[in-house]
Amino acid sequence: QQQVKQSPQSLIVQKGGISIINCAYENTAFDYFPWYQQFPGKGPALLIAIRPDVSEKKEGRFTISFNKSAKQFSLHIMDSQPGDSATYFCAASMNSGYSTLTFGKGTMLLVSP
Amino acid sequence: DVKVTQSSRYLVKRTGEKVFLECVQDMDHENMFWYRQDPGLGLRLIYFSYDVKMKEKGDIPEGYSVSREKKERFSLILESASTNQTSMYLCASSILFSGAYNEQFFGPGTRLTVL
Repeated sequence: QQQVKQSPQSLIVQKGGISIINCAYENTAFDYFPWYQQFPGKGPALLIAIRPDVSEKKEGRFTISFNKSAKQFSLHIMDSQPGDSATYFCAASMNSGYSTLTFGKGTMLLVSP
Repeated sequence: DVKVTQSSRYLVKRTGEKVFLECVQDMDHENMFWYRQDPGLGLRLIYFSYDVKMKEKGDIPEGYSVSREKKERFSLILESASTNQTSMYLCASSILFSGAYNEQFFGPGTRLTVL
C-alpha cells in the first residue's frame, strides 16, 4: 500500500516558469513532510520541509503548500532554472527519532533553457 | 562537512554470489538506513538501524540482511544475489532526534548489476 502518492512522474517546464509537484498522503499520524532533491549521480538531499502547524513554507524560490484537511502538500519552484533539473521526492514521517521516511515515487523535472 | 560514503559506485556480480555493500558515516549519527532506488518506484526502505547491533526490517527486506558492528558502519548483505536485485542502493544516516527536522543524509549510491 503506497502511503505517499506523488504526481506527475515527469515534468518539463520552460526557464522562468513555475514547477508544481503534488503529493498526497494517507496516514494522519504523519507530521513531518520533507522534499528531497536528487541530481544525476548523487544521493538525494533535503531541500525543504514543513510541519502541519503551518500551511506554507518558503525558502528562496522553493515553497511548500500544505493542506491538512485534504492530506495534500505540494512543492512550487518559482522562476525555474535549468539548474533545478533533478528528481524530486516528497516524503512523510512522524517526527520522532525512531521514525522512518515514506517516500513518493519521484518526479523528474526538466527545465528547458 | 557531513559525509556518507559507500564503498563502491558501481558493482557487477554473478547470480548466486554473496554481495557486501558498505556504508560509512562520519557524523556520529545513531540512525542508518539502506534503500533501493528503481525507476518509477522511488526509494524503498530495505533495513534500518537505530544503534549498534540493532536492526529493523523496512518495507522490502526479503533477500537482504544487514550488519552494524560499529556506530559509523552499516553493511547490506545480499546472501545469494539474483537478477531482480539489480538496482541503485542508497545508504543514509540521521541523528536519533533533532527536535526539529529529522533530516537524512544520503551517500552517492552503489549501482549494482547482477548478471
